[in-house]
Amino acid sequence: QSVLTQPPSVSGAPGQRVTISCTGSSSNIGAGYDVHWYQQLPGTAPKLLIYRNNNRPSGVPDRFSGSKSGTSASLAITGLQAEDEADYYCQSYDSRLSGSVFGGGTKLTVL
Amino acid sequence: EVQLLESGGGLVQPGGSLRLSCVASGFSFSSSAMSWVRQAPGKGLEWVSGISGSGGFTYYADSVKGRFLISRDNSKNTLYLQMNSLRAEDTAVYYCAKPLGSEYYYGMDVWGQGTTVTVSS
Repeated sequence: QSVLTQPPSVSGAPGQRVTISCTGSSSNIGAGYDVHWYQQLPGTAPKLLIYRNNNRPSGVPDRFSGSKSGTSASLAITGLQAEDEADYYCQSYDSRLSGSVFGGGTKLTVL
Repeated sequence: EVQLLESGGGLVQPGGSLRLSCVASGFSFSSSAMSWVRQAPGKGLEWVSGISGSGGFTYYADSVKGRFLISRDNSKNTLYLQMNSLRAEDTAVYYCAKPLGSEYYYGMDVWGQGTTVTVSS
């Protein structure tokens, strides 16, 4: 059971918008710790998509955006493309565990 | 080019030990905190351990505390993970990663290719 809860799977048709939620608690997201998002394609290392809640590293398309409110965060992907099919993970810090924590991951399927 | 290259993975028996290495290049290694993250077969990402740039502060997930030791040699631009008392549940691909910021728990923008550790008799 992950400290940060993500839906196991989401899906959408090309061109559509999908969102992936990341639900935490008062010891992590709710305590004000930043949330980061990663994309992992099969057989490859994770890639940073969003850092500090809503910032995109250089090279990440603006189709990807992040938000945070209360004890939750969300990753939104607009204009869905076939190459977006991947696993997505959220990450934050947990003060009760005194360590970094990941969500369980969400598999995005592009229909 | 900013790069991380892990090595040291392999097959080890339960109760055995292994030391992973991660050689960094293309950035100021001694100024950067670092982390180890693992991924068991078919499972999600799990943060394992973090270390400050100087090496003076170390952090561990409860699942490895007391068994794993993170360290670094800034003169060699190398990060280490000494893994002792290995268990079957430690079987995973181990990644080293560099955070985009001063703390190990910040978003990690550089990842190695991973090294596979298999604990089995």
